[in-house]
Amino acid sequence: ETGVTQTPRHLVMGMTNKKSLKCEQHLGHNAMYWYKQSAKKPLELMFVYNFKEQTENNSVPSRFSPECPNSSHLFLHLHTLQPEDSALYLCASSQDGTGGGYEQYFGPGTRLTVT
Amino acid sequence: AQKITQTQPGMFVQEKEAVTLDCTYDTSDPSYGLFWYKQPSSGEMIFLIYQGSYDQQNATEGRYSLNFQKARKSANLVISASQLGDSAMYFCAMREAGGGSQGNLIFGKGTKLSVKP
Repeated sequence: ETGVTQTPRHLVMGMTNKKSLKCEQHLGHNAMYWYKQSAKKPLELMFVYNFKEQTENNSVPSRFSPECPNSSHLFLHLHTLQPEDSALYLCASSQDGTGGGYEQYFGPGTRLTVT
Repeated sequence: AQKITQTQPGMFVQEKEAVTLDCTYDTSDPSYGLFWYKQPSSGEMIFLIYQGSYDQQNATEGRYSLNFQKARKSANLVISASQLGDSAMYFCAMREAGGGSQGNLIFGKGTKLSVKP
């Protein structure tokens, strides 16, 4: 496996379900990110982890719970979601999260539909 | 105020022609980076090109070049010899050099490019 992988690629869940999104990076990076992409909106940063420590929580509702057990893996735990949470969830990684010219590499995303 | 502005929601270009996608940005930080990403219908964001604020020359990567005009705060993407596979959404993004939140990427709303055969 190379780059950034995300599973599942598609997820349909009811509002009372609990599910998790998984992201794995094989690039030796130290920073990982979760983004939300809704229709006709700019990409919204949700969470940033740098060296496994959360450094950014962009006012995300508590029904989204991130977990970063190591620098290669990032999870997004979902519970009691709302229909407006339906979106493409993108994971990314970069060499570090402290600024500078390091580009972020993205996974293919998980298309989430909340019914 | 928007930090990244992409004024073209959609663009059409004939195959093999060149196309310019516009991007303007707003920052008071003297040190920043500008990025372009491509997002095909499959969803993955693909990094294309990077320009640092102190770089003297415009960045180029294969058929992609970045027309960086610092005084105008513009960072337009030029795609030469368009191919059908270039049809996608294109996003301009900026990263300021400060730590914390300033180091995060800020994305524009994107431009949908359609290449006609």
